[in-house]
Amino acid sequence: NAGVTQTPKFQVLKTGQSMTLQCAQDMNHNSMYWYRQDPGMGLRLIYYSASEGTTDKGEVPNGYNVSRLNKREFSLRLESAAPSQTSVYFCASSRMTPGQGGNEQFFGPGTRLTVL
Amino acid sequence: SQKIEQNSEALNIQEGKTATLTCNYTNYSPAYLQWYRQDPGRGPVFLLLIRENEKEKRKERLKVTFDTTLKQSLFHITASQPADSATYLCALAGGYQKVTFGTGTKLQVIP
Repeated sequence: NAGVTQTPKFQVLKTGQSMTLQCAQDMNHNSMYWYRQDPGMGLRLIYYSASEGTTDKGEVPNGYNVSRLNKREFSLRLESAAPSQTSVYFCASSRMTPGQGGNEQFFGPGTRLTVL
Repeated sequence: SQKIEQNSEALNIQEGKTATLTCNYTNYSPAYLQWYRQDPGRGPVFLLLIRENEKEKRKERLKVTFDTTLKQSLFHITASQPADSATYLCALAGGYQKVTFGTGTKLQVIP
């Protein structure tokens, strides 16, 4: 039982390049999330998927797109990377949908992205 | 706008003492509050959840209180150990809102 896995662990991009961050969970959770974490800013929600086939914007969605490929996998795409997207990206999953009581989230190890 | 405040200053305490971390919030009526632990270079790990109608929750050496009148949660670690050194995040959610995280407080337990 690996929990939440993310690839890659580290990535360096040049401005304007694109890339996709991959996330998978093996806990049969309904909901999945993408966050970014910056010093002094805390975790900020980029996009989430309350269930397979649905996605919704979070607090900071601009510059990102997501795909809920199936119940296990939720990917985050940067179409044209900018230096402001330098951050640590975390994927998370939870059994219940956002706002439901006890919506404990399980996090992956993170992807450290630098955009030059 | 909604705001969650955790003490951004690191908290240093002596091993064996009780560590108390604070989470304050404004413009928010959360249905429940969570606490997570985050070690350097790793993702947050869930510790405890407390609902709005609960005053206190305990788990081993951890205790969380939730005062909806003061709009504050306190997180206590009793008999603290160096292994408790980490950053602790509070997170709130209410109704159909997504979970919102605070910026975290770094705890250092000194042997």
